[in-house]
Amino acid sequence: GAGVSQSPRYKVAKRGQDVALRCDPISGHVSLFWYQQALGQGPEFLTYFQNEAQLDKSGLPSDRFFAERPEGSVSTLKIQRTQQEDSAVYLCASSLGAGNGYTFGSGTRLTVV
Amino acid sequence: RKEVEQDPGPFNVPEGATVAFNCTYSNSASQSFFWYRQDCRKEPKLLMSVYSSGNEDGRFTAQLNRASQYISLLIRDSKLSDSATYLCVVQSSASKIIFGSGTRLSIRP
Repeated sequence: GAGVSQSPRYKVAKRGQDVALRCDPISGHVSLFWYQQALGQGPEFLTYFQNEAQLDKSGLPSDRFFAERPEGSVSTLKIQRTQQEDSAVYLCASSLGAGNGYTFGSGTRLTVV
Repeated sequence: RKEVEQDPGPFNVPEGATVAFNCTYSNSASQSFFWYRQDCRKEPKLLMSVYSSGNEDGRFTAQLNRASQYISLLIRDSKLSDSATYLCVVQSSASKIIFGSGTRLSIRP
């Protein structure tokens, strides 16, 4: 597609519920990133894929967070047993490669109640 | 100490003014630098890359000072539409891309 597409746009989850957030990057973009952005803060790195390989997951805050990109295109970020502190905007970005600019999706605003 | 630091602002300046803000980074091995703009409840959008020689795009000028490890953004003849949060981005490897917390800019009529 023309841009990075994320769904759902908004998600309200009850504490303890599992959620799955989807990112559809720009076609042909090798690099894919997930970021978490809390209100009033800059995006915080979660994980990075190069094609289907998850090369860096050092930013995932706990083992409840899991990301995959099995065919090197669409990626899913899964959060198990959601907690209130998981409430944030989750941004996906893709790029042709290192040193190029990154195009962000509109994000998924997750609210855990 | 955060790897990328910015003055959170807000900077509140009149239309037509020139405004500048800096961003400092701690990793001397950092390779690529960017400024992103983020409007309220929107995703960040690339404003410009920052090169060692400095670069200009219309009213916007970005500069990199590797010796002092900071980058700057200058906005001349500011417009109401420039009101946004400006995010400094520093990349030190393919995966290590760090965002600052952002500087809020508000342009008043």
